[in-house]
Amino acid sequence: EPEVTQTPSHQVTQMGQEVILRCVPISNHLYFYWYRQILGQKVEFLVSFYNNEISEKSEIFDDQFSVERPDGSNFTLKIRSTKLEDSAMYFCASSGDRNNQPQHFGDGTRLSIL
Amino acid sequence: DAKTTQPTSMDCAEGRAANLPCNHSTISGNEYVYWYRQIHSQGPQYIIHGLKNNETNEMASLIITEDRKSSTLILPHATLRDTAVYYCIVRDNAGNMLTFGGGTRLMVKP
Repeated sequence: EPEVTQTPSHQVTQMGQEVILRCVPISNHLYFYWYRQILGQKVEFLVSFYNNEISEKSEIFDDQFSVERPDGSNFTLKIRSTKLEDSAMYFCASSGDRNNQPQHFGDGTRLSIL
Repeated sequence: DAKTTQPTSMDCAEGRAANLPCNHSTISGNEYVYWYRQIHSQGPQYIIHGLKNNETNEMASLIITEDRKSSTLILPHATLRDTAVYYCIVRDNAGNMLTFGGGTRLMVKP
């Protein structure tokens, strides 16, 4: 069964450094998403992406965050200058469309900011 | 904010049916009910979704009341591997995001 894959599984970064989290969505999907989950808290929506542009973003997704689909298969989340509070699990998801099709999630990247 | 209310936790005996309730009394006519689960800190796993008819797949059944104000996810024969947090999410068909609440922590016991 096709699945969403994320790399790396764990990323340790010094505060203030840039980090890029990578995702390979399911191949025929058109809608891409990033969510995060701080330890012990709820899963929170960050951003959705369609047709090479952001279609929706949350308040969390400020100027420090950016997303990109650099080629036909990868979808990336960049955090420009990481803060301690960015430490979380980051989940990528994709769906075939946004009407009545479920989002399928990867297993996440654990980001630890030191 | 999540538009659903779920019990915080439930127990179920292995091999028995697990019935997980969800209230969504403010659901609109174009909003679907989705169920996901999360095992440990893995990514949320899609289970099933429906609009107004009952649905069944290889993982579970979804029973939606006629007024659509509540639903029940049924795992027909729970196993230890079904221990997870189960999320009931209401999402309209034009919406991008899934809004996760606290979910129900299901513990399947031998």
